[in-house]
Amino acid sequence: KNEVEQSPQNLTAQEGEFITINCSYSVGISALHWLQQHPGGGIVSLFMLSSGKKKHGRLIATINIQEKHSSLHITASHPRDSAVYICAAISGQLTFGSGTQLTVLP
Amino acid sequence: DVKVTQSSRYLVKRTGEKVFLECVQDMDHENMFWYRQDPGLGLRLIYFSYDVKMKEKGDIPEGYSVSREKKERFSLILESASTNQTSMYLCASSSPGQGGNEQFFGPGTRLTVL
Repeated sequence: KNEVEQSPQNLTAQEGEFITINCSYSVGISALHWLQQHPGGGIVSLFMLSSGKKKHGRLIATINIQEKHSSLHITASHPRDSAVYICAAISGQLTFGSGTQLTVLP
Repeated sequence: DVKVTQSSRYLVKRTGEKVFLECVQDMDHENMFWYRQDPGLGLRLIYFSYDVKMKEKGDIPEGYSVSREKKERFSLILESASTNQTSMYLCASSSPGQGGNEQFFGPGTRLTVL
């Protein structure tokens, strides 16, 4: 069974800071999914990637297949980025990390 | 855009009641999933379905059953609700294809069992 670990569990940043959230997994995967969950529960898909890097606006996701590691970066963070960020490793089914609670202060 | 809807955002039930949580997706996805989310435990898979009338147990199926009579609808059933089933329930759907199984989530149902 795939073990997925996220760090940090909680992160507080000042507006404008560069943010990195990390995700490690234990067995080979076909892809990795980054999700965002706002207060109230709705989950939105941010990225799905199987190699290299993807960028969408101020969000960047990278993955290193050999090291079994992915990172989610947020540039010029804003209070509206405050949410829980979840990574999920795809190897048949999804195995979820426990999430990172991000709070961006104005 | 893919749309996944769930029948209720908030639900309060009493111990022993039968509870139905409905999920509908409008993108003709083959795969549908039910998760529960609890603080400190993350998202855990209850049941999933890869086709109509087909179901598979996930990691925590005990106390739950599911029904998939139509492709677009996947129902989660709590036969006799208990207080430890108080949780956020999330439905998702996906279609196998290029790049893997990206899942699209519904808004969630926060169930409280008294």
